[in-house]
Amino acid sequence: TQLLEQSPQFLSIQEGENLTVYCNSSSVFSSLQWYRQEPGEGPVLLVTVVTGGEVKKLKRLTFQFGDARKDSSLHITAAQPGDTGLYLCAGVSGGATNKLIFGTGTLLAVQP
Amino acid sequence: EAGVAQSPRYKIIEKRQSVAFWCNPISGHATLYWYQQILGQGPKLLIQFQNNGVVDDSQLPKDRFSAERLKGVDSTLKIQPAKLEDSAVYLCASSLGERGLAGLYNEQFFGPGTRLTVL
Repeated sequence: TQLLEQSPQFLSIQEGENLTVYCNSSSVFSSLQWYRQEPGEGPVLLVTVVTGGEVKKLKRLTFQFGDARKDSSLHITAAQPGDTGLYLCAGVSGGATNKLIFGTGTLLAVQP
Repeated sequence: EAGVAQSPRYKIIEKRQSVAFWCNPISGHATLYWYQQILGQGPKLLIQFQNNGVVDDSQLPKDRFSAERLKGVDSTLKIQPAKLEDSAVYLCASSLGERGLAGLYNEQFFGPGTRLTVL
C-alpha cells in the first residue's frame, strides 16, 4: 500500500514567518503534486514535480522533489494570511489508471 | 469553462437513512472520480470511472456504497444505510482521460464537494 505522510499535521504561524511542509513515502512515484484546499472548496493544484531533485518556484512557494522520487517539500517564504488552508501532497501512481494517492494533509493558519 | 458541479453542497441525515450525491464533470472529461475526505485529512479515492465503466472501486465499501455513471457523463454516489463514520466531504473530480500518450498524467479537477453529517 502506498502511503504519504505529511508533517507537521498542524502549523500556526505569524504573518511574515517562513515554513516548510514535508511529504514522505516509502514508495516511488512517477510524479508528485501539491494542492491547497480552502474551507468549502475542492483541492486546487499548485504544482507538479516530475524529475528527481527538481525544484520549482511559484512566487513565495518553493517545491522540491527528492532525488529518489519518494519525498517532497514545500517551503513558503514570508507567509501571508491568504496562505491559510489545508496543504496536500499527492503522488501519481504508476500504470495507466491516472490514480492519485493523497497525503495526510497539513493545516496551516497564518495569523495577521 | 464551467468547472465540476456537485449537489447538494450540504446534507444532514440520521444514521441508517439513505443519501445520494450528484456530480456533473467538466464537459468532455471521460474520467470521473469520487473521493471521501474526513475532516482535516487527505481525500481517499472511492471509485474511478472511465466513461461509463468502473476502473477502480477497490476502496468502495460495497455493502453500503454504490455509484453509477450510466451515460458516461454525470454520476451519482449513494450511501444506504448511512453510518456515523460516513460523515465526511464527498468530492467529485474529472480528467480528460486515463494516462495519455507516453504515460503522461492527466490533471484532475475537483468540485466543491458535498459535506455529509450523519447524526
